[in-house]
Amino acid sequence: KQEVTQIPAALSVPEGENLVLNCSFTDSAIYNLQWFRQDPGKGLTSLLLIQSSQREQTSGRLNASLDKSSGRSTLYIAASQPGDSATYLCAVRQRGSTLGRLYFGRGTQLTVWP
Amino acid sequence: GAVVSQHPSWVICKSGTSVKIECRSLDFQATTMFWYRQFPKQSLMLMATSNEGSKATYEQGVEKDKFLINHASLTLSTLTVTSAHPEDSSFYICSARGASGVSTGELFFGEGSRLTVL
Repeated sequence: KQEVTQIPAALSVPEGENLVLNCSFTDSAIYNLQWFRQDPGKGLTSLLLIQSSQREQTSGRLNASLDKSSGRSTLYIAASQPGDSATYLCAVRQRGSTLGRLYFGRGTQLTVWP
Repeated sequence: GAVVSQHPSWVICKSGTSVKIECRSLDFQATTMFWYRQFPKQSLMLMATSNEGSKATYEQGVEKDKFLINHASLTLSTLTVTSAHPEDSSFYICSARGASGVSTGELFFGEGSRLTVL
């Protein structure tokens, strides 16, 4: 069974720092990997989607990389801002999963203070 | 990205009553919708998958008769928690996949519904 782990569980940094959030998964037979942002009491906002054939995706200050063979992905946040404070979740879609179910990690709770 | 709307965003009910949560895809047709449950500081756990016009597929350990799912149209899926008990209190989130999502695998999520059972 696929297991997704995110490290660290929580992170608190001053504004302006560059951050790296880590995600690892046990089964490398994935279809894609998706990073989400979740604000307290809210749903999920999709940040980046990386297909299994891709190595990285970029959107603004966010860059996500994927190393499928080692079962790892990183989310890089450049020049962090207080508005980036949220929980970041990574999720993988298993190859062969016809219904597209996602396996989620527990998330990294990020706090960026001014 | 595509917009998925959930209603209500929060609901409080008495033990033994039933509660219905709606999930709508606003700007695309959702051939498949997924219902997740999230406990505090825990990951999202898939409860069931519904395809328009057919019966939902439930994950192991999820009671079909307690969590009724209906996907009657391409833009609406509903989750009904029947005879709710305090242990059913949780955050329920739906997600949807449209035609483009079939190829990319990208899912779009609703805002979630907080259920509190007294």
